[in-house]
Amino acid sequence: DAGVIQSPRHEVTEMGQEVTLRCKPISGHNSLFWYRQTMMRGLELLIYFNNNVPIDDSGMPEDRFSAKMPNASFSTLKIQPSEPRDSAVYFCASSLETGGADTQYFGPGTRLTVL
Amino acid sequence: GQNIDQPTEMTATEGAIVQINCTYQTSGFNGLFWYQQHAGEAPTFLSYNVLDGLEEKGRFSSFLSRSKGYSYLLLKELQMKDSASYLCAVRGTRNDYKLSFGAGTTVTVRA
Repeated sequence: DAGVIQSPRHEVTEMGQEVTLRCKPISGHNSLFWYRQTMMRGLELLIYFNNNVPIDDSGMPEDRFSAKMPNASFSTLKIQPSEPRDSAVYFCASSLETGGADTQYFGPGTRLTVL
Repeated sequence: GQNIDQPTEMTATEGAIVQINCTYQTSGFNGLFWYQQHAGEAPTFLSYNVLDGLEEKGRFSSFLSRSKGYSYLLLKELQMKDSASYLCAVRGTRNDYKLSFGAGTTVTVRA
């Protein structure tokens, strides 16, 4: 079975440009999570969806970041305009949440570099 | 809020045992997860504890004490491939699916 799929795997862009990261969760999973990982701040949750509905976006840094999940098989994380401090690895994870030992499965990540 | 602490780095010899400690102070508790992350790769699930005690899974074991806000991951018969970062993560409540991650412990296994 395919795991969580993310694209692109690497993105290099210039400050001020719009960046869109994409995620396809594991089929049948009902929850999707967007994380950001940096050396300084570790792995941080940005936002998560349950049944395509945003549940907690308290980790979204500021209005420049937005996320959507139009259907159960696709989500996007958009940064507009991008800044050098947004450089990080962005992971998408999905899970079948029942309130118990519900494992989150991570995608390979998108390494974003903003020049 | 969530506060999760674990050591930054540990070094051990191939074949040895290493214990990675994690302490947490969280608003609510509904389980503790350990993830392994090799350099340049995504985190992968290792173990889950929600009740006190030891969970054993092959060379890896995880322990939880809820009253002490404490867990450890025990890696036995260390192999070179175990060199990685190990992340402790806590789920706050049953209906809150998000995980709060510690900063991770980088384990280096030497020959």
